[in-house]
Amino acid sequence: KNQVEQSPQSLIILEGKNCTLQCNYTVSPFSNLRWYKQDTGRGPVSLTIMTFSENTKSNGRYTATLDADTKQSSLHITASQLSDSASYICVVSDRGSTLGRLYFGRGTQLTVWP
Amino acid sequence: EADIYQTPRYLVIGTGKKITLECSQTMGHDKMYWYQQDPGMELHLIHYSYGVNSTEKGDLSSESTVSRIRTEHFPLTLESARPSHTSQYLCASSAGVPTEAFFGQGTRLTVV
Repeated sequence: KNQVEQSPQSLIILEGKNCTLQCNYTVSPFSNLRWYKQDTGRGPVSLTIMTFSENTKSNGRYTATLDADTKQSSLHITASQLSDSASYICVVSDRGSTLGRLYFGRGTQLTVWP
Repeated sequence: EADIYQTPRYLVIGTGKKITLECSQTMGHDKMYWYQQDPGMELHLIHYSYGVNSTEKGDLSSESTVSRIRTEHFPLTLESARPSHTSQYLCASSAGVPTEAFFGQGTRLTVV
């Protein structure tokens, strides 16, 4: 069964600190992995997208890594800001169908305190 | 910022009423999706469309229906709303495979 598991479920950090969010998946055949940021009451917004051959990708203070062998990804946030408070969702796409089906994790709820 | 819009943003409606959630995108994307998301839970695909006059049911069974008469428009309809339909509904679109999905702001539906 294709699944995406994220940890931790929730995380509280102080402003300025770094943090790392984890994503493990069993989706096969793998196509790509995306990290989305979802603010409360809003739709998800893409942060990074990584294909099989990419090990790391950065977007400002966000750095995503991918280990396709162990089927693990992480999202590292550097020098956190209050505006980073949101749910971070790991989404994995398969290439076994023309839809490019998306499998969503439940997200990690990040809260940044001043 | 993605050009995909959902209306209304919030809707509180009585049981038994018929409702239509609107979703429009101006990017010319062929593929459009409807997801349902309960608080703290993952998104579940309830409907998708490959293009005009193409609609399919997703992974999560839903009593809602959709139509795709125009590329840019993908409305979702509930003929008779029930409290169990209370949830957030997110519309998305994409082009090509694989590619990024762009999401609307969502509609928070409450059925009382």
